[in-house]
Order: sequence, then structure tokens, then C-alpha cells
Amino acid sequence: QKEVEQDPGPLSVPEGAIVSLNCTYSNSAFQYFMWYRQYSRKGPELLMYTYSSGNKEDGRFTAQVDKSSKYISLFIRDSQPSDSATYLCAMSAEKSSGDKLTFGTGTRLAVRP
Amino acid sequence: DTGVSQDPRHKITKRGQNVTFRCDPISEHNRLYWYRQTLGQGPEFLTYFQNEAQLEKSRLLSDRFSAERPKGSFSTLEIQRTEQGDSAMYLCASSLPIALTDTQYFGPGTRLTVL
Repeated sequence: QKEVEQDPGPLSVPEGAIVSLNCTYSNSAFQYFMWYRQYSRKGPELLMYTYSSGNKEDGRFTAQVDKSSKYISLFIRDSQPSDSATYLCAMSAEKSSGDKLTFGTGTRLAVRP
Repeated sequence: DTGVSQDPRHKITKRGQNVTFRCDPISEHNRLYWYRQTLGQGPEFLTYFQNEAQLEKSRLLSDRFSAERPKGSFSTLEIQRTEQGDSAMYLCASSLPIALTDTQYFGPGTRLTVL
């Protein structure tokens, strides 16, 4: 079993829809949670960074972390065709472990005009 | 452009050849990471440096792989005697830990194809 599980999709939604992306994890040592966006043949780009449980909002993006359930989510409001990409969740443990990131497989999202 | 840069962007080589990739981190970032990403998968950690010291290596990093960061700035990743299974995107990331934040910024990657 992988430490981080993420549905690979693809997920196809119409423009303007609310998108929900999720990851589950098994390692209770994870404290830092991130969402990256990756366009085809490009490097990952950081979208959201959260520490421990709670919500964080940035523009059209909201990240949620529920450590009791080992479950994290990313919501995208008013989705746009330019949001079409692969979304990767990533997480790391305490800083003593070097902050190496453990990624999910990524969810491919397509937003239809 | 002050982001992470990687060179080359693409490399095609024959099985058994050696290849070397370079990563230039964001200026002043003291941490540098290497990851490998295969098709349809998320990046997997290979190794990381704090300044010039290599502090951790994944078991994915076989003895054919070696990484250096000689002056604490740019880094190189060398693969000796390449195998077809080495075909992947090799990603470099850098960071400057501040308080509880250690945001890793990724470069565009080097795509390796081993024939």
C-alpha cells in the first residue's frame, strides 16, 4: 500500500464548476501538506501549503486538512479551462526528516469550455 | 528568470551510456532536492543537500547514481551505465526553510529517454 493515495482520474468538468480533489495517507507523521499543479511536460508548481489540520483559502483555491481522518482536499471554485492540468498532493513529516516530499500519483483535470 | 533551472531539458541516450544532469537552484536557497517522475506517477524522492552536504539518499538511488553539490550552489546528478528503466523525468527543487515553512520550488525537469 502506498503512503499517499490519490485517484488518478481523469476528471472532466464544465467551465465554472466546483472541483474537489482528494488524497488519503497512512503515515501519521505527516505534518505539512501541499498541492502542486503540473502542466504537461512541465515541473510541478506550488498552489497551496498548509501545516497540520484546518482550512486555507487563496483566491479560487481552498485546501482542507483533516489529520484525524488522514484526508486532505483541494477545492477549485469557478473552474477555468486554464485549470486543466494534473494536480499532485504532497506531504512531509517533521523537519528533522529533511522535508522530503511524498507525492500522490496526481489527478488529471480537464475543464471543458 | 530567477527560478530553478535544469539542463538539458531533454536527453536521449543508448543503454549503457553515462549521462549527467545539472540543476541551478534559486539563489540563496540552501536546500536542493532531486526527484524522479515516471509517466502517470507522482515525483519520488531521490536525494537532498543542505548546502554542499548530501544528507539523505533514497533506496531508489542505486550505486549507478551519484549526486554532487560541490560549492553549495548548483548540483549534478550522474547516472552510469544507463538502463531502460532509468527513462523518466528528473526534477530538481530548491528551498530556504523559514520558521515552519519549507516551500520547495521545482525546475522544469530533464526528460531522459534510454533506448
